[in-house]
Amino acid sequence: AQKVTQAQTEISVVEKEDVTLDCVYETRDTTYYLFWYKQPPSGELVFLIRRNSFDEQNEISGRYSWNFQKSTSSFNFTITASQVVDSAVYFCALSVRYNNNDMRFGAGTRLTVKP
Amino acid sequence: ETGVTQSPTHLIKTRGQQVTLRCSSQSGHNTVSWYQQALGQGPQFIFQYYREEENGRGNFPPRFSGLQFPNYSSELNVNALELDDSALYLCASRGERDTGELFFGEGSRLTVL
Repeated sequence: AQKVTQAQTEISVVEKEDVTLDCVYETRDTTYYLFWYKQPPSGELVFLIRRNSFDEQNEISGRYSWNFQKSTSSFNFTITASQVVDSAVYFCALSVRYNNNDMRFGAGTRLTVKP
Repeated sequence: ETGVTQSPTHLIKTRGQQVTLRCSSQSGHNTVSWYQQALGQGPQFIFQYYREEENGRGNFPPRFSGLQFPNYSSELNVNALELDDSALYLCASRGERDTGELFFGEGSRLTVL
């Protein structure tokens, strides 16, 4: 069975600090997909990234970066120079099917960025 | 703005009643999935529809059922409501082009008393 663990329930930082959100996953499948989503107070989840299990390259998108390490089954997310607008709940998710009809989300990490 | 709209945004029901939640997908998206998000938890996958056929289901009882229409809009029906069904219900759509991105609506918040 698949499992996603986000051990950090809440994180609070001051603006401009860097912050890393941890994600550890479990699966016996060799092909799988990892995701990060952001959920602002309005409720809708906003897609940030998808990474498949064969692509271990780290990714950077502006202030966001992701570190995928199969050896430790982790897919961590770092926000550099955080801003107040980054305040939200962030979810890591796992799917083992190509059409992602089995998405399993972690419990989420609530990030608060204070001015 | 994801182009996915859900209705109603909030509703209150009592135990044993039935509820229908609706979702209008982003234009051109033929895949829709539904999630239940209890307070303080991550979304849980309920089921997914592709071109009007259910093609995946999570660990939810049969009283959770759905429909997808020819225009790809969708409904989630829950019968015999229980207190634990109180949650935010999220709909997400996806197109044929596989970017892995799901487009979510803002959800319908259901309270069961």
